[in-house]
Amino acid sequence: RKEVEQDPGPFNVPEGATVAFNCTYSNSASQSFFWYRQDCRKEPKLLMSVYSSGNEDGRFTAQLNRASQYISLLIRDSKLSDSATYLCVVNPHTDKLIFGTGTRLQVFP
Amino acid sequence: DAGVIQSPRHEVTEMGQEVTLRCKPISGHNSLFWYRQTMMRGLELLIYFNNNVPIDDSGMPEDRFSAKMPNASFSTLKIQPSEPRDSAVYFCASSLGPSQETQYFGPGTRLLVL
Repeated sequence: RKEVEQDPGPFNVPEGATVAFNCTYSNSASQSFFWYRQDCRKEPKLLMSVYSSGNEDGRFTAQLNRASQYISLLIRDSKLSDSATYLCVVNPHTDKLIFGTGTRLQVFP
Repeated sequence: DAGVIQSPRHEVTEMGQEVTLRCKPISGHNSLFWYRQTMMRGLELLIYFNNNVPIDDSGMPEDRFSAKMPNASFSTLKIQPSEPRDSAVYFCASSLGPSQETQYFGPGTRLLVL
């Protein structure tokens, strides 16, 4: 089983739609969680951290469910510029980050 | 401030040739990471350094791969001899410290081994 698993997509949604991505992780001792965004042919960039109580940044909401070992990312009112690959990232209580293979989102007009 | 700098941005070489990838981390960052990204395997950590010292190289695929960090502002990843299966995008990333989870990635080097 992979340490971090994501649905690869692609998710094709119209502008204005709400879309949600889930990610599961295998190490129950994992301490911290993140979503990174990667545009086509670009480097990954931190989108947001994921806190136990859930957190929101504008149109983006991240949630953590430790009992079920999954994290989610909700994007409301999708924009064309949201089209990218979203990487689920977990720190399994080490100095290393474990990246999922990413979920591709395509927002169309 | 300049971000992480990598060179070359693109490299095309023939099987058996030596390839050297270069990275300059963000000034003041103490941790440096080398990743490889492919469609099949996603982003994989190859090796990381803290204060110029290699901490974990368990992700290095085999002896053909080696990495060095002679000082705080420069690191290299070398593949010798290169093989077609090494074709991938190689990213360098840096962070303030080993437990600082915000890693800043360079633009990557696209390597194609023919």
